[in-house]
Amino acid sequence: GENVEQHPSTLSVQEGDSAVIKCTYSDSASNYFPWYKQELGKRPQLIIDIRSNVGEKKDQRIAVTLNKTAKHFSLHITETQPEDSAVYFCAASSNYQLIWGAGTKLIIKP
Amino acid sequence: NAGVTQTPKFRVLKTGQSMTLLCAQDMNHEYMYWYRQDPGMGLRLIHYSVGEGTTAKGEVPDGYNVSRLKKQNFLLGLESAAPSQTSVYFCASSPDSLYGYTFGSGTRLTVV
Repeated sequence: GENVEQHPSTLSVQEGDSAVIKCTYSDSASNYFPWYKQELGKRPQLIIDIRSNVGEKKDQRIAVTLNKTAKHFSLHITETQPEDSAVYFCAASSNYQLIWGAGTKLIIKP
Repeated sequence: NAGVTQTPKFRVLKTGQSMTLLCAQDMNHEYMYWYRQDPGMGLRLIHYSVGEGTTAKGEVPDGYNVSRLKKQNFLLGLESAAPSQTSVYFCASSPDSLYGYTFGSGTRLTVV
């Protein structure tokens, strides 16, 4: 079945620097790739998504890139701020559901 | 527009008791999902539904049952609760498989 691997599991960056989280997927039929942010004790919230007919998408300080040939996609956060501290999950569509990565804990150091 | 509403928000059960968690959405979404999230872990799919009257098993369905009698509601039942079912349960909905999910605020369940 579909598998999504996410790296790194923990990422610590200096405030103001950029952060990059990477995911790989196995199902070549996957065509929808969302990213979610989950703050401590809160529900996951969709922050950005990309479909297979697009290579890159930006929304202010957040961007996602997709390489369908290599089956990987990445989340880029620029000019990180304290409120970016959270767990980030990637996911890939497969048979009516999303297959989730294990999550990346992003720590922003002051 | 409330989005996805889960009830109750907290519950403590004794081993062997049963309960039903309710998820209600007002966005006319076809797809609904039940996940569990253990401390420090990711999301694991319990059951899902692709439309009124349909249900399907996810990754961890044992010990749970679901029903989708009305499009807006998705119920998760625990027939005989076990301590291993202590977790946070999230419900989510989406228009179809190519759109992001809207999550409810979660139900924190403790089985003692």
